[in-house]
Parts: sequence; structure tokens; C-alpha cells
Amino acid sequence: ETGVTQTPRHLVMGMTNKKSLKCEQHLGHNAMYWYKQSAKKPLELMFVYNFKEQTENNSVPSRFSPECPNSSHLFLHLHTLQPEDSALYLCASSRTQGVWPQHFGDGTRLSIL
Amino acid sequence: DQQVKQNSPSLSVQEGRISILNCDYTNSMFDYFLWYKKYPAEGPTFLISISSIKDKNEDGRFTVFLNKSAKHLSLHIVPSQPGDSAVYFCAATEEEETSGSRLTFGEGTQLTVNP
Repeated sequence: ETGVTQTPRHLVMGMTNKKSLKCEQHLGHNAMYWYKQSAKKPLELMFVYNFKEQTENNSVPSRFSPECPNSSHLFLHLHTLQPEDSALYLCASSRTQGVWPQHFGDGTRLSIL
Repeated sequence: DQQVKQNSPSLSVQEGRISILNCDYTNSMFDYFLWYKKYPAEGPTFLISISSIKDKNEDGRFTVFLNKSAKHLSLHIVPSQPGDSAVYFCAATEEEETSGSRLTFGEGTQLTVNP
């Protein structure tokens, strides 16, 4: 039980599809994060939400659209993705932004055809 | 420009021996460091951390050493067990910074502990 649940675990989509990744945390945390991990590369921060407000957008292309309706849920809406967007997408949470450590979900493995 | 580097992509050790995983950083503002462990098909899990006011932190079989002047930290696992086989990520941050605070990760080192 990681406390942070991501669905789906695997997703294959075409470049014209629209899909969403979901993250839910049961830890009572107020900060949530999206990371991208490509093969042989470090985890790359994408977005940060702190108390439902977006506090960081790490120059992420607009084809990725995050949504945080409350402190327990985080979504990543995907549309018109490119093959280079194929990666492992990890969600994490922490008590508040800047309070470490973060707790990670198991990720969504995304493949773009 | 990668601010946190783990120069060894892989490390193989015998069960019962010491595993030493290394991490170098370039940003002198980093003052808090963490190690995460990741099994296949799972997310990273927090292992141990160290603040720059210390040079050593120990938790059971895991010890992290910090050499601020060399901008280098290492994770020692003694004794190593087959269940320790995983990818280990080093991460760094400026602890006191809350606005825009983020973790910067290394590329990871795959540790294999052979029975």
C-alpha cells in the first residue's frame, strides 16, 4: 500500500486520441506532483500543485494539461501527443510543497503509437 | 545541465558484502539530499535523507555520507541482500526554499546483489 494510487497502470494511445491519467493519494497531503521518466534519464518534474493551486509548470507543452480538483486528486489530461511523449508518468505527494520526502505512485506506462 | 549525477549506471555485488552507490552534485545551494529505491513496475520509495548540517546519517543497514566540499554523497548498504536489488536514485534540494521548491534527481544506479 503506497498511499498514492495511479490509474491506469498502462496506456497505449494514438497521437490523435485524448486520454487522462488519474492520481489519488490517501495520505492527507496537500502537495501533488507530476513527473516524467524517460528511459535512462532522471525523473523530470512537470507540474506542482500546493493546496490545489498550481505552483509550478516546468515548461511543459500544452498538450499536457493538469487538473487538481482537490488535495487528494490529480489528473493529467493528454491530447495530440507525440511519440517522444512515451514514458513512465509518476505522481507524487508530500505534506506541503517543499516538505520532503515525497511519496510516489507506481506510475502509468504511456506508449504513443 | 545536469545538477545531480550518478555516474555508475549499474553496480553488482555479492550478498553480504558492502554496496556503495555514489552521487555528485554541482549546485552549491543544495542542502538536503535524499535516496530513493525503485523496483520494476513500482514507484520510487524513500530510503534515507541527510541535511547539509550533518556528514553522516544511519538507518539500519543504510548509511548516507555527505562530503560538502567535494559535493559528493554516497549510500552504503551493509550487508547487502538480494532484496536490495533495485534502481537507486539520488535527489537534492534547497531545504529552506519553499517557493518553487523541487527535487532534482540523478539518473539512477541499478544495483544487483548476487546470492
